Amino acid sequence: AQSVTQLGSHVSVSEGALVLLRCNYSSSVPPYLFWYVQYPNQGLQLLLKYTSAATLVKGINGFEAEFKKSETSFHLTKPSAHMSDAAEYFCAVIRSNDYKLSFGAGTTVTVRA
Amino acid sequence: KAGVTQTPRYLIKTRGQQVTLSCSPISGHRSVSWYQQTPGQGLQFLFEYFSETQRNKGNFPGRFSGRQFSNSRSEMNVSTLELGDSALYLCASSSSGGGIYNEQFFGPGTRLTVL
Repeated sequence: AQSVTQLGSHVSVSEGALVLLRCNYSSSVPPYLFWYVQYPNQGLQLLLKYTSAATLVKGINGFEAEFKKSETSFHLTKPSAHMSDAAEYFCAVIRSNDYKLSFGAGTTVTVRA
Repeated sequence: KAGVTQTPRYLIKTRGQQVTLSCSPISGHRSVSWYQQTPGQGLQFLFEYFSETQRNKGNFPGRFSGRQFSNSRSEMNVSTLELGDSALYLCASSSSGGGIYNEQFFGPGTRLTVL
């Protein structure tokens, strides 16, 4: 079954620095891929999703992700971190075998002033 | 437009009891999904309802059940509670028939503690 693996459970970046969150998926067919963010004490919010229309997907709050089939990756980036980006980020995929949404373990981002 | 609301926000139960959680989707949304979030297992999909019909279900035991009403409000029930059921239960709604394929709007969750 398809799943996603998020490399690094915690990432710490300085304000203004690049944010890079890694996500790899296992799939034999182009999947639906998502990045969600969960701010402290809040529900999840969709950052962006990949649906095969374009390999570079732009999301909200300055985030973007690039789908690389050869690397089975869907890494999330933001050029310049802001204090408000401190949150937990989840990569997710809709599995093609059972059409269920499967989440990665999450990556917690802290932003240093 | 009001967001997804979940009631209650916090709940404490004892083992063996049952519990019902409620979710009111965004007005006009017909797809409602439920998720369980725990530190150990992370986020796991429970089930999805669309127009009062369950159309997808995660790998949870039959103690976990749900339903959706004609006004799209949804309830989730857990019977014979176990300690491992302690979790944050999230509800999400989506505007179109695409459900989980489209943007889902999440509620703040219900924090269930089983003692």
